[in-house]
Amino acid sequence: EPEVTQTPSHQVTQMGQEVILRCVPISNHLYFYWYRQILGQKVEFLVSFYNNEISEKSEIFDDQFSVERPDGSNFTLKIRSTKLEDSAMYFCASSRQGADNEQFFGPGTRLTVL
Amino acid sequence: KQEVTQIPAALSVPEGENLVLNCSFTDSAIYNLQWFRQDPGKGLTSLLLIQSSQREQTSGRLNASLDKSSGRSTLYIAASQPGDSATYLCAVSTGANNLFFGTGTRLTVIP
Repeated sequence: EPEVTQTPSHQVTQMGQEVILRCVPISNHLYFYWYRQILGQKVEFLVSFYNNEISEKSEIFDDQFSVERPDGSNFTLKIRSTKLEDSAMYFCASSRQGADNEQFFGPGTRLTVL
Repeated sequence: KQEVTQIPAALSVPEGENLVLNCSFTDSAIYNLQWFRQDPGKGLTSLLLIQSSQREQTSGRLNASLDKSSGRSTLYIAASQPGDSATYLCAVSTGANNLFFGTGTRLTVIP
């Protein structure tokens, strides 16, 4: 069964560094998403992406963050100048269509900022 | 802003028992509601999706209901098994290509 994959599973970085989290969505899906979950807190929406542009973003998704679909299969989240509070689990998801479609999530990347 | 609440926060039941998990949301203008399972340190596994026009969805031992007007959903798990132990999350879509999540119910099924 097709699934969303994410790499790396765990990323450790120093404060102030840039990180790129990678995702491969399900191949026939058109909408892609990033969410994050700080330890012990709710899963929070960051951004959705369709047709090579951002379709929706939350207040969390400020200039520190960017997303890209560099080729036909990968979807990336870049976090610049990481802060301690960026430590969280980051989940990528995809859906065949938009709002009324089921979203499928990847296993997540645990980001630890030291 | 949509707020999603799940009660109880934790639940412990003996194996074989039927149980109900609750989810409530503040804005009834939703596109759909999705139930997920999350195992410790793992990703989210989609269990059921209920469209706003539906009242119920079933998958195996799971049955989810939706009462949009009252802002409530329940997830019924029949004949619980130790392998059902996980955190169960509900999430609502408001049509803006995002999901609003609840804080989850941590279920423990005791053998």
